Amino acid sequence: DGGITQSPKYLFRKEGQNVTLSCEQNLNHDAMYWYRQDPGQGLRLIYYSQIVNDFQKGDIAEGYSVSREKKESFPLTVTSAQKNPTAFYLCASSPPPGRLHYGYTFGSGTRLTVV
Amino acid sequence: QKEVEQNSGPLSVPEGAIASLNCTYSDRGSQSFFWYRQYSGKSPELIMFIYSNGDKEDGRFTAQLNKASQYVSLLIRDSQPSDSATYLCAVKEGSVSGGYNKLIFGAGTRLAVHP
Repeated sequence: DGGITQSPKYLFRKEGQNVTLSCEQNLNHDAMYWYRQDPGQGLRLIYYSQIVNDFQKGDIAEGYSVSREKKESFPLTVTSAQKNPTAFYLCASSPPPGRLHYGYTFGSGTRLTVV
Repeated sequence: QKEVEQNSGPLSVPEGAIASLNCTYSDRGSQSFFWYRQYSGKSPELIMFIYSNGDKEDGRFTAQLNKASQYVSLLIRDSQPSDSATYLCAVKEGSVSGGYNKLIFGAGTRLAVHP
């Protein structure tokens, strides 16, 4: 079955540490996205990528970095510069433009906690 | 700034009643509209999409779209306690030169269906 796999499900970060969240999809989608969700709040876009080796900043990119070396993979690194990283992180993907009825498919999420 | 507005709720309805969830958007060029359901601690799942004015029905769910008023709604008939979740409205942004049309998410409406 096609889908998006995020790992790990839970992640604990110490102060000053960089951590990387994994996102892999086998849907053959070109575009991938990273969102952050804080308790009781909506989704905020961190980074997105429309094609391999290219990505753009979203609304809250500071303290985060991404890479897109393969179509299937879009890992997110939460750097030590991100002062308040505790949140629920969601990865999503979408098919090419022009398909009105296609939304995003989401992974199951990674819950990151600073300890 | 493209915006999608939803009442945060909670919207409390008795079991068996109709739940009505509303959403307004600012981008007049938007063509596609989506409703996602998100259970607490889980990732959003797509439940409805609509891109033509009028009503679209799928089981107990009906999506309504009025592009002139820039208004989207979701009706849930015969509400069940299992429908208790946060419902996110998402609007695909209008034409963007050279790239993907991203989804703009509202902050969500929390629905509580009580027995």
